[in-house]
Amino acid sequence: ETGVTQSPTHLIKTRGQQVTLRCSSQSGHNTVSWYQQALGQGPQFIFQYYREEENGRGNFPPRFSGLQFPNYSSELNVNALELDDSALYLCASSWGGARGKETQYFGPGTRLLVL
Amino acid sequence: AQRVTQPEKLLSVFKGAPVELKCNYSYSGSPELFWYVQYSRQRLQLLLRHISRESIKGFTADLNKGETSFHLKKPFAQEEDSAMYYCALVVDSNYQLIWGAGTKLIIKP
Repeated sequence: ETGVTQSPTHLIKTRGQQVTLRCSSQSGHNTVSWYQQALGQGPQFIFQYYREEENGRGNFPPRFSGLQFPNYSSELNVNALELDDSALYLCASSWGGARGKETQYFGPGTRLLVL
Repeated sequence: AQRVTQPEKLLSVFKGAPVELKCNYSYSGSPELFWYVQYSRQRLQLLLRHISRESIKGFTADLNKGETSFHLKKPFAQEEDSAMYYCALVVDSNYQLIWGAGTKLIIKP
């Protein structure tokens, strides 16, 4: 059974640029959730995708967008990067789209630095 | 507004001593709560969820709706329990998990 993978592991961007982060869900999972974790804080929910549709969204502006593909992998896109977007971005996969109540399996994260 | 509060950023106890990691929540709906753990150089993983009422690695947590708490307890701490612990709450309206800021638990030998 393959766990959740994320790419890249680290990246550096400048303010105003755009970034795409990728996540491969665990085998058999059809739901992907994305989180932003700033230093010293808990994860903050960005959105969740279930069977290729956005299934729920947290308090993030529209410049944070996502996609889920037929193989249930997912992308997180952030446009017009701001300094405050610097954080660890976590992806978690799960089975069933059970409205956040299912066990989520986390990837190692992508650390984004915006200069 | 929904909120999860973990009042201690750091908790340090001796091996063999009891451990209690505090979690308080604010939520108008029916709460469903989790504890997640992150060991050093490992990923976040589920420790336990209140709905299953199970004990994992000797840890238990009881939902107290009157006090709006979901404290994590273990009677005898072990060195391998040293980790970062997060309490999280499910919000029904948009299916999100709301997380506390986490408590770093250090077990001293």
